[in-house]
Amino acid sequence: GQNIDQPTEMTATEGAIVQINCTYQTSGFNGLFWYQQHAGEAPTFLSYNVLDGLEEKGRFSSFLSRSKGYSYLLLKELQMKDSASYLCAVRDFGSARQLTFGSGTQLTVLP
Amino acid sequence: SQTIHQWPATLVQPVGSPLSLECTVEGTSNPNLYWYRQAAGRGLQLLFYSVGIGQISSEVPQNLSASRPQDRQFILSSKKLLLSDSGFYLCAWSVPDREYSYEQYFGPGTRLTVT
Repeated sequence: GQNIDQPTEMTATEGAIVQINCTYQTSGFNGLFWYQQHAGEAPTFLSYNVLDGLEEKGRFSSFLSRSKGYSYLLLKELQMKDSASYLCAVRDFGSARQLTFGSGTQLTVLP
Repeated sequence: SQTIHQWPATLVQPVGSPLSLECTVEGTSNPNLYWYRQAAGRGLQLLFYSVGIGQISSEVPQNLSASRPQDRQFILSSKKLLLSDSGFYLCAWSVPDREYSYEQYFGPGTRLTVT
């Protein structure tokens, strides 16, 4: 099975940088995903890591260390619209490449 | 391009009533399909997934069931709703047989309130 932990809430200021951590314990690992979910909406894909290291996409970066069972999502130059829940998800080797999601980190960006 | 539809968008049902939520995907063939439930302020719980017509796998035993009568249609059902079935139901699809950057794409969701 999979166990995924991430902080429940975080607060940051507009223009700042914030790092959202995710730790996992898994019976099988086939990639880690980050999704963004605004209140009342569906999650949208942000990033994917399967190898160790940093993946950068504009203001968002995601890091993975498989040996430590650890990932983080880094958001730079925060904007008010970045206020949302950020979900960490681990994929296993199942037939449908199932994802197991963490409970999400609710980020509030203050002016 | 691919699109995913879910309906209804919102639903209020009494305890003990039946449920049918529908999800359809356009623009792709033989997708993997998923049903998730999200309780208020919580993460996504995988309920069912399907790799093909008539092939359903259940992740959590409960009073819900799923069916896939057509390649791009996925239905979530219940014969008798419980209060605990309230939540935000999300359908998702993904491309089969691709190893990397294999994200799931989510539909707009159905918000179900059981009263």
